[in-house]
Amino acid sequence: GENVEQHPSTLSVQEGDSAVIKCTYSDSASNYFPWYKQELGKRPQLIIDIRSNVGEKKDQRIAVTLNKTAKHFSLHITETQPEDSAVYFCAASPYGQNFVFGPGTRLSVLP
Amino acid sequence: GAGVSQSPSNKVTEKGKDVELRCDPISGHTALYWYRQSLGQGLEFLIYFQGNSAPDKSGLPSDRFSAERTGGSVSTLTIQRTQQEDSAVYLCASSAGAGGSTDTQYFGPGTRLTVL
Repeated sequence: GENVEQHPSTLSVQEGDSAVIKCTYSDSASNYFPWYKQELGKRPQLIIDIRSNVGEKKDQRIAVTLNKTAKHFSLHITETQPEDSAVYFCAASPYGQNFVFGPGTRLSVLP
Repeated sequence: GAGVSQSPSNKVTEKGKDVELRCDPISGHTALYWYRQSLGQGLEFLIYFQGNSAPDKSGLPSDRFSAERTGGSVSTLTIQRTQQEDSAVYLCASSAGAGGSTDTQYFGPGTRLTVL
């Protein structure tokens, strides 16, 4: 079955700096890769996703890149703000049939 | 409805009792997922429904756990003879369908289960 690893487990950056979180997956059948942000005590919220037919996707300060050959994908947040502080989860799914999540990265943006 | 809803929001039960958790997906969403999240941990996949059938039950931790979905809408997750290790937040998510642009998942607020 699918296995998703995520690094780092914790990340601290200064406000305004960039943050990068990396995930690897094992199942070549996975073709959909969402990223979720979860604030303390709240539900996960989708922030960006990418499908296997593209290599990069950007939405304002957030971008995701996918390397299908190497089976890894990364989340990039530029110009970080304190409200970006949360736990971020990556996931991999074959056609939305089941989702395997990474263990999460706790991002702290220091003012 | 505006989003995925779950009930109850909190449930405290005694060890050995059965509990039933409910999920109302977004109207029209055919795919429904159950996850478990222990304090400070990641999301553990439990079960996935496409319509009323569950093609993937591989995540259910034991035979004390079962889930059903009727009418292609509401789903219930039942835990029999609860144990303290069952304490967690149980999250439900739904998507319009599996495949293509319809597979984006939307999460409910979760049910916090505490087994004393």
